[in-house]
Amino acid sequence: QVQLQESGPGLVKPSETLSLTCTVSGGSIGTYYWSWIRQPPGKGLEWIGYIYYSGSTNYNPSLKSRVTISVDTSKNQFSLRLSSVTAADTAVYYCTRERGGLGNSDYWGQGTLVTVSS
Amino acid sequence: DIQMTQSPSSLSASVGDRVTITCRASQGISNSLAWYQQKPGKAPKLLLYVASRLESGVPSRFSGSGSGTDYTLTISSLQPEDFATYHCQQYYSTPYTFGQGTKLEIK
Repeated sequence: QVQLQESGPGLVKPSETLSLTCTVSGGSIGTYYWSWIRQPPGKGLEWIGYIYYSGSTNYNPSLKSRVTISVDTSKNQFSLRLSSVTAADTAVYYCTRERGGLGNSDYWGQGTLVTVSS
Repeated sequence: DIQMTQSPSSLSASVGDRVTITCRASQGISNSLAWYQQKPGKAPKLLLYVASRLESGVPSRFSGSGSGTDYTLTISSLQPEDFATYHCQQYYSTPYTFGQGTKLEIK
């Protein structure tokens, strides 16, 4: 059974960079697309972007100038960096696996709350 | 971006009721639509994809239909564990986008 686990700081200061890592267990990171999705408190879901195991990426244009998603196949991990954060970036961040490159997410991490505050 | 509009935004129903939630896309999405169930404090769970294909392990009381821009999620007979928030998602084109969610509450 594939499992995903997010890790990283729960508190980030405004203007700094948010960094999260997703560790995949129970399966290989190879041959799949891996996504980051976030959900501000009490609000809906927002797709941030995905990375293919080979390293190719696709980002939401609304965040593209600030987002970097990378993959480390040797560690079965992929990561999110979001720069110049503001309070609007406060959200629960989920890492997910996309089913066969179709775009829907069949496996999700439990989510991690990141608060942007000084 | 493709805008996804869900209705209603909230819904009260009783155990045993038949419930339908609608999702409308701002342009045709060729059945590239998924439905998720989310319970408080938990990650969303995939219920259906390609508009009507049931994810493995999901009870058959959940069904999906639609085409073009209009899609529906139907729960044929509500069970206590079905009270949750439901989200639709289009994955026809990036950026993938979600509806605002429908909160299903116990009447």
